[in-house]
Amino acid sequence: QQQVKQSPQSLIVQKGGISIINCAYENTAFDYFPWYQQFPGKGPALLIAIRPDVSEKKEGRFTISFNKSAKQFSLHIMDSQPGDSATYFCAASMDSGGYQKVTFGTGTKLQVIP
Amino acid sequence: DSGVTQTPKHLITATGQRVTLRCSPRSGDLSVYWYQQSLDQGLQFLIQYYNGEERAKGNILERFSAQQFPDLHSELNLSSLELGDSALYFCASSVELGRETGEQFFGPGTRLTVL
Repeated sequence: QQQVKQSPQSLIVQKGGISIINCAYENTAFDYFPWYQQFPGKGPALLIAIRPDVSEKKEGRFTISFNKSAKQFSLHIMDSQPGDSATYFCAASMDSGGYQKVTFGTGTKLQVIP
Repeated sequence: DSGVTQTPKHLITATGQRVTLRCSPRSGDLSVYWYQQSLDQGLQFLIQYYNGEERAKGNILERFSAQQFPDLHSELNLSSLELGDSALYFCASSVELGRETGEQFFGPGTRLTVL
């Protein structure tokens, strides 16, 4: 019930295209859904996050769509650029006795080709 | 720069040895998490400490242990090392104060190579 399923495992997108990564969860106690971006040899860094009281959040070219009833959320990268090539992790977190318990997806390796 | 520091950056050692990885969280962050990331793998959660106390355990081997000190820095101890322990080890920290939490700030990682 703690699992967060992420797909696809890898994704190749043409420059200027839309990259879409999907995640699904089971536990309705999750109340914070961040996406992390990781470049090779670096630690993951928060990209964008959403709480379940909104259905969409947009920051620049990055948008999270959230479907509470389906227990799914997705990351859309518009106008994908080669600099977006990285591994993306979705995560879900919940309050667990006063501290946050975070579960990560398995990651999606995105390659944007010129 | 996330504000989380990890030392050393690289570590090369032999099988059977013991190593200690160190993490200093961001100023004010009370929670420290340790993750293992093998080549082309996802983030495997190992263990979490909150203000000096162990809060959650993931897939941490018995050969591994961790602690968080009163100054909030944390150490991950890996003993009886095996070839398969070669990986990137990340530390992350977060604030843990009510609903406006959840974001973890990751350090640059320690790359461990066991020969």
